[in-house]
Order: sequence, then structure tokens, then C-alpha cells
Amino acid sequence: GAVVSQHPSRVICKSGTSVKIECRSLDFQATTMFWYRQFPKKSLMLMATSNEGSKATYEQGVEKDKFLINHASLTLSTLTVTSAHPEDSSFYICSAPSPTGGYGYTFGSGTRLTVV
Amino acid sequence: AQTVTQSQPEMSVQEAETVTLSCTYDTSESDYYLFWYKQPPSRQMILVIRQEAYKQQNATENRFSVNFQKAAKSFSLKISDSQLGDAAMYFCAYRRTGTASKLTFGTGTRLQVTL
Repeated sequence: GAVVSQHPSRVICKSGTSVKIECRSLDFQATTMFWYRQFPKKSLMLMATSNEGSKATYEQGVEKDKFLINHASLTLSTLTVTSAHPEDSSFYICSAPSPTGGYGYTFGSGTRLTVV
Repeated sequence: AQTVTQSQPEMSVQEAETVTLSCTYDTSESDYYLFWYKQPPSRQMILVIRQEAYKQQNATENRFSVNFQKAAKSFSLKISDSQLGDAAMYFCAYRRTGTASKLTFGTGTRLQVTL
């Protein structure tokens, strides 16, 4: 089936640095990618929707300059957390509409970001 | 805006027994899709079951079935013959029709399965 490969699975970075998370669709083209954030024992909150070839659409309250999303190709979407701070520590998950399901989704395996 | 509510933060069930997880949602749309996702400790999101709103028949996937009440905007998940591997967070989710519509998740229910 369709797979979205997300890397890295875990990353620890120092406060003030930037970190990039990649999501690649394997064997299918993902024109849209959804980026979610999940706090411990909480639900998934949509941060933004990226579309290949156009600017990402951010949800209300999400800082565009802090969470840079780029959808450079039909198989790659990236989330860059800029000038990271400890409060940015969280679990980030990407998801793409499934190419086979009509209305289903394929999720990446998530990235646990820890900012120290 | 669409909202999804799961009123049970935690549930517990004995192995081999049946448990029902509740979900309600709010929408003004007449056609939409509903999902139940499972998130085990690995945190990989796994689709459990899905339902198209235009279908009256409740979806079933092996030990998992739903009770879809469109008028009441209710979408509960029944797990029969519970197994230890069913222990996880369960999220109810909603999406509108249309290409690449986003998923809106409920707050989740943590299911424990005991011996």
C-alpha cells in the first residue's frame, strides 16, 4: 500500500537552532500533505496544509515564520521548526490523502522533537 | 466549523469482552466521512474503520463495528472479543467530502485491556 516515509523519527536539538522534518510519499504522488502536532496524551492538531507548487495554508494560531512548510515536489514535503524553543517540543505527524482509498489517508510514522 | 467530541478519556475492558467507545460530531454538511483511528504506543496511526455518511448500513471490519446515527450525529465504535493488542488510544475523526479535505480529530479515548 501507499507509504509516507517520515524522517527523522527522533531529534534532539538545542534551543535557538532549526530542525527539518521530511515526509516523502513512496510510490505515489502527494499533491497535498497535512502536518499535525500532538502533545503527550492529546489529540492531533492540524498545523498546516501544504500543496505542491503553492504556499502552505496555516491553521489559526500557528506561526508561519516559526513553522516553515515547503512542498518542493510531488513526493516531498518538509516542515522546518526555526529558532526552536523547549515549548516546540512535541510529536509531529504528516499525512497525505491515500492514492487508492478515495477518501482515506496515509500517515507518516511521526517525529518526536525535543528541544533542550 | 466541524467539531468531534469523545467524552470518554479512558475506558477499560477485560480480554474477550466487548467495549463501546463514544463519539459525537457537529457539522452542517449532509455528506461526509467518519473514521476511527488507533494509535498504539508506537504512535503510528492505524485506520480501524470508516463510514460514508450517505450509507445507512453500519460499517464492519472483523471484530470492529460502528453504530452510525446520522440524525444524532453519533458514531460509536464497538470492539468485540477484545484482545490485549487492542490497547491503544482511539481517535474518532471527521472529514468533509471533496478532494484532500482535512481530518478533524476528537480528543481520544485511551483503551486498556485487562486479563
